[in-house]
Parts: sequence; structure tokens; C-alpha cells
Amino acid sequence: AQSVTQPDIHITVSEGASLELRCNYSYGATPYLFWYVQSPGQGLQLLLKYFSGDTLVQGIKGFEAEFKRSQSSFNLRKPSVHGSDAAEYFCAVGPEGYNTDKLSFGTGTRLQVFP
Amino acid sequence: DSGVTQTPKHLITATGQRVTLRCSPRSGDLSVYWYQQSLDQGLQFLIQYYNGEERAKGNILERFSAQQFPDLHSELNLSSLELGDSALYFCASSGGLGPEQYFGPGTRLTVT
Repeated sequence: AQSVTQPDIHITVSEGASLELRCNYSYGATPYLFWYVQSPGQGLQLLLKYFSGDTLVQGIKGFEAEFKRSQSSFNLRKPSVHGSDAAEYFCAVGPEGYNTDKLSFGTGTRLQVFP
Repeated sequence: DSGVTQTPKHLITATGQRVTLRCSPRSGDLSVYWYQQSLDQGLQFLIQYYNGEERAKGNILERFSAQQFPDLHSELNLSSLELGDSALYFCASSGGLGPEQYFGPGTRLTVT
């Protein structure tokens, strides 16, 4: 069965510092991988996605992620964090099973940004 | 704005009651997903509908049911509500070239 692990529950960084959020997945074939962001009281917003091709994908808000098959990882990065990036970040993998587009989500990483 | 709409935004009700949450997917999306998000359980997949038919089922209680109508909007019905059902309920839709899901703003349910 597919699964996603986000090892870091909570990360704190200073504004302007670089950021890397970790995501490890378990999947039997070539996965579709996603990062979502959730601001307090809001829905989840799609940051970026990987389907195939170039393993470094660019997303919105200056985020990027790199797919590393050998490490089963899809880490999210940003070179310089803003205060507005404080939110919860979810990694997801899919599709799960036959005849469904169901995704499996990680438990999330809460990002706190200090000024 | 994802294009997915959910109503109501907030719902406060008493234990034992029944409520209906409504979701309209993005234009053209055939799949609708329902999720429950709570502090202790995180983001839990409940159920998926595709073009009116149930496609996948997750950790959905028997007290909960859902359906998708011919116009593709979906409703999640929660009955015999308990305090533990208090949570954020999200709807998402997909139907483009890949399985990425687009989430609505959620309905916050408070059971008192």
C-alpha cells in the first residue's frame, strides 16, 4: 500500500532563511507526487506536482521540489522564506488503487517563521 | 480561489442531530472527494464519487453518507452527531490531466 511520511511535525525558521521540508513515500510504481499548503482556517492549496520528466519541479510562491527515486523522497525547498509562508504543508502521493484517483496524504509539517 | 465551493462555512449543531454539507466541484471536474480534518486524526479521506458513482471509500462512519448528483455537486450527510464529529470537512475535486485535487475552503462543524 502506498504511504507518505513527513518526518518533521514542526519546523521553525527565520525570515530570509532557506527551507527544506522532507517527504518520503512508499509506492509500487512511478508515483504522482504533490505538495499542498494550508494556511490557518483555509483549505489546501496545490503548490506543485510531479508526474514525470524533469525531477526538479517549480511551483507557486517560489517553491520547488526535487524527486529522488533512489531515496523515495520529494522534498520541498524555498531559498528565502517569508513570514507569509507560515502554514502547514502536506505531501501527497497517488493515485492509490485501481480505478480511483485517491491520494495518500502525509501528516503535515507546521512551519513557523520568526521575523 | 480553487473553483471548488462549499456551504455552509460554519455549522453549529447539537449531539444527535443531522446535517448536510454541500460541495460544488470545479467546472468540468467529474470526481469529488470528501475529507475530515481534526486535530487528533489529521486529514482523513472519507469517500470519492466519480460522475455520480461511488469510486473509493475511506474511513467513513456508517452514520455518514454522501452522494453526487447529476449536476455533479455533492452532499455529505452526517447523522446522529457526536462531539467527536466536530472537525473541518473538506471537499476536493479532480478531473483534469492528472489526479491532482483542488480543495474547497471547508465547512467547520461544531457539535455541542
